[in-house]
Amino acid sequence: AQSVAQPEDQVKVAEGNPLTVKCTYSVSGNPYLFWYVQYPNRGLQFLLKYITGDNLVKGSYGFEAEFNKSQTSFHLKKPSALVSDSALYFCAVAGATNKLIFGTGTLLAVQP
Amino acid sequence: SQTIHQWPATLVQPVGSPLSLECTVEGTSNPNLYWYRQAAGRGLQLLFYSVGIGQISSEVPQNLSASRPQDRQFILSSKKLLLSDSGFYLCAWSAGQGRTGELFFGEGSRLTVL
Repeated sequence: AQSVAQPEDQVKVAEGNPLTVKCTYSVSGNPYLFWYVQYPNRGLQFLLKYITGDNLVKGSYGFEAEFNKSQTSFHLKKPSALVSDSALYFCAVAGATNKLIFGTGTLLAVQP
Repeated sequence: SQTIHQWPATLVQPVGSPLSLECTVEGTSNPNLYWYRQAAGRGLQLLFYSVGIGQISSEVPQNLSASRPQDRQFILSSKKLLLSDSGFYLCAWSAGQGRTGELFFGEGSRLTVL
């Protein structure tokens, strides 16, 4: 069975500092990995995905994520956080099925 | 371009009443369609997904059902709502055929059962 874990319920960073939101996964075969962002009372917005190729994936709003097969991780990163980045972030994995399984979400708070 | 519409945006229903949430997708054909529920503003639970008209897969036993009467229409229903059905319901679509690519979400329907 496929699963994804986000070990941190909340991450706090100061504006201008780098941020990392952690994600680990478990899936049979090659994973498809995704990051989404959700603002209050809104649907989820796609940020980036890893399918194959370069382990460093660049996405929307200056975010990037690094796929690490040996550690089964796909951490979301940004070099310099903005207050407007404050939101709920979800990691997701798709195995050899048509289903996307989401983590429990990490609330990112960027403090001015 | 593709768009997804979901309605109603907000719904307050008494226990035991029926439910119908509707989702439609425009600008694409043969999409995979999904219903997720988000409880307490956090984790997303996959409820149903569909790869074609009349083809529904249920992920968890529950008080809800789904139907896909047309290629780009996905409906979530209940005959009798329970308090535990309260939550934020999200419809999503992905390009069909093959492994799942990224999902595109609607703006959600907030259901409160009293």
